[in-house]
Amino acid sequence: EADIYQTPRYLVIGTGKKITLECSQTMGHDKMYWYQQDPGMELHLIHYSYGVNSTEKGDLSSESTVSRIRTEHFPLTLESARPSHTSQYLCASNSDGLGETQYFGPGTRLLVL
Amino acid sequence: AQTVTQSQPEMSVQEAETVTLSCTYDTSESDYYLFWYKQPPSRQMILVIRQEAYKQQNATENRFSVNFQKAAKSFSLKISDSQLGDAAMYFCAYRGGYNNNDMRFGAGTRLTVKP
Repeated sequence: EADIYQTPRYLVIGTGKKITLECSQTMGHDKMYWYQQDPGMELHLIHYSYGVNSTEKGDLSSESTVSRIRTEHFPLTLESARPSHTSQYLCASNSDGLGETQYFGPGTRLLVL
Repeated sequence: AQTVTQSQPEMSVQEAETVTLSCTYDTSESDYYLFWYKQPPSRQMILVIRQEAYKQQNATENRFSVNFQKAAKSFSLKISDSQLGDAAMYFCAYRGGYNNNDMRFGAGTRLTVKP
């Protein structure tokens, strides 16, 4: 299995709370990604990073924000959670280079009440 | 922009039989990479197989093989001797050879394996 970790695995939280989803990888990958995926549905890219201090928004508009202060760490933050944020969030990474395989974390299932 | 289409939302196969999952893509690039990922229920997404577009030979990984038709922009996955553990969502993905930061996924195919 790939060395990419996400915490928490499951989170149930009330509307209006601030949450941070953690993602870490020990492979030294420069490139990291956040996807949003409703169960059994397609993946939507919401954020990506080429390296430290580099972050970009993905195809799907998201109210979340990300930061990349360390190579191995790419947290995602929701300042004020809403029921529409209920979903699964997948973190992924890959090394620099042509056609590199993306490695995925186990995901965080978020339920906002 | 490149698009990836999986036209089979759901597929079913009998244990020990063979099943083929379809994937087509649209691109103007000549150099690119194609992937099949497997996502078992409540488990991590993992790579099944990878194909470089410049290679004519179809990639194989044990019971998994692909039929890569570059002219037709088709990239199907064949699973031979299906096992119960093959039940999962399967995602086809495309990554350009020049803009390698952008991986495009299809909508997925849910594979059920019947005992």
